[in-house]
This record gives sequence, C-alpha cells and structure tokens, in this order.
Amino acid sequence: DIQMTQSPSSLSASVGDRVTITCRPSQTIRTYLNWYQQKPGKAPKFLIYGASRLQSGVPSRFSGSGFGTEFTLTISSLQPEDFATYYCQQTYIIPFTFGPGTKVDIK
Amino acid sequence: EVQLVESAGGLVKPGGSLTLSCSASGFIFSDTWMSWVRQAPGKGLEWVGRIKNKTDDETTDYAAPVKGRFTISRDDSKNTLYLQMNSLKTEDTAIYYCTMSPNYYESGHYYNVFHIWGQGTMVTVSS
Repeated sequence: DIQMTQSPSSLSASVGDRVTITCRPSQTIRTYLNWYQQKPGKAPKFLIYGASRLQSGVPSRFSGSGFGTEFTLTISSLQPEDFATYYCQQTYIIPFTFGPGTKVDIK
Repeated sequence: EVQLVESAGGLVKPGGSLTLSCSASGFIFSDTWMSWVRQAPGKGLEWVGRIKNKTDDETTDYAAPVKGRFTISRDDSKNTLYLQMNSLKTEDTAIYYCTMSPNYYESGHYYNVFHIWGQGTMVTVSS
C-alpha cells in the first residue's frame, strides 16, 4: 500500500497569511493526488484533483502543485472559513489512501 | 441538487452485522462509480471500498481491513448504494460516508475523484 505523510500535522496562522501544506506518498503517484478540506462535524469537501486542478467552485486562493512523491497545497491568503483540516489522497493504486491530515487553526 | 443521504447507523455488538444504505438523487446514479470512506472518532479518513457502474461490471474493491467482511453493492433501480458489514470489530467504529467517485478525464488521464459526500452516519461497535 502507498503510505501518505503530511507536514506539518498542524499549524497556526492568521487571516491573510500564506499557508503551505506538504504531502508525500511513499512511492510515485504521478499526479494522482486529491486534496480535501474538512470542518468539525462535517463531511469532507473536495478541493483539488490531478495534483493541481481546482474543482469547480473552489476559490482561486487554493492551489496545488507537485508530481511523483512531493505535493503541496497552498492557500494564498487565508480566510476565516479556511480554518479546517486538510487531507491529501492518492488515487493511483488501490487501496486509495489518505494522508493523516493537517489542521489549520487560528493563531 | 446532487445529494447523498446515508441511513442511520447504530450500536452493534462485536461479531454482529449491519447494513448501511445511501440514497442518491440529482445525478445519474447508474452511471456513477461510488465509494465508502470512514472516519474513526478523532481520526483521519480511511477508504473502505468502491463499486463501479454496470458498464464496468459493478466491479468492487476493498481495503484490506474490511475485505471478506464488508460487501458493497448497488441497486440502480432504487438509486441506492449499500454497505453490508459482517463480523464487526470494535475498530470498525467510525462515521461512514458514501461518496460519488467518478473519473474526471483530462489531458489523457482519468482522475478518480470523491467529489460529493453524504452527511455521514455513525456506527459504534461495542459490547
């Protein structure tokens, strides 16, 4: 199975900050990488697929990049509604695996 | 509006069984691959398994922890997805989400995405 790691596991940031989260699979997944946002008590929300492709309706302050074994999710200017936990997921090989999550909270 | 609504979960004793359903509306269910994802209390997301559509022979795939105990099925006439869970263990305690998991085709690649999620239903396995 492909193991996914994320760093940091949590971070504190202020509104307006630029935030970057890293996801590293244990082997190459080319660009088969999705990102999700989850708020407490809610289902995850799909943000990005194919490492860098923004899902329709997702604000442009979110962006993704990477290939192979290193990926990043960037929020260019953190907004109050962005405080949440972010998960990466590989869909290159079954079983599809998620990263452990990165919690973004208010500084 | 695209919507997925899971049935109520519940409390089950270890070794017991439970079947969850997920009612779909607002899209062509029969064309769509579907998946189940779970989340143990205070933990991250775990893919449980998926079922493809009839065109793709309704092929199923499962995560190792549930393989042989859980069965995913679908009834396209009822727009409903199912997760039959047998031989339940305490470690199966989680919120279970059904998700639409179609492929997006772009630049020569099919990207499997989990783009619509149900609200989730809690399953507790405890004596």
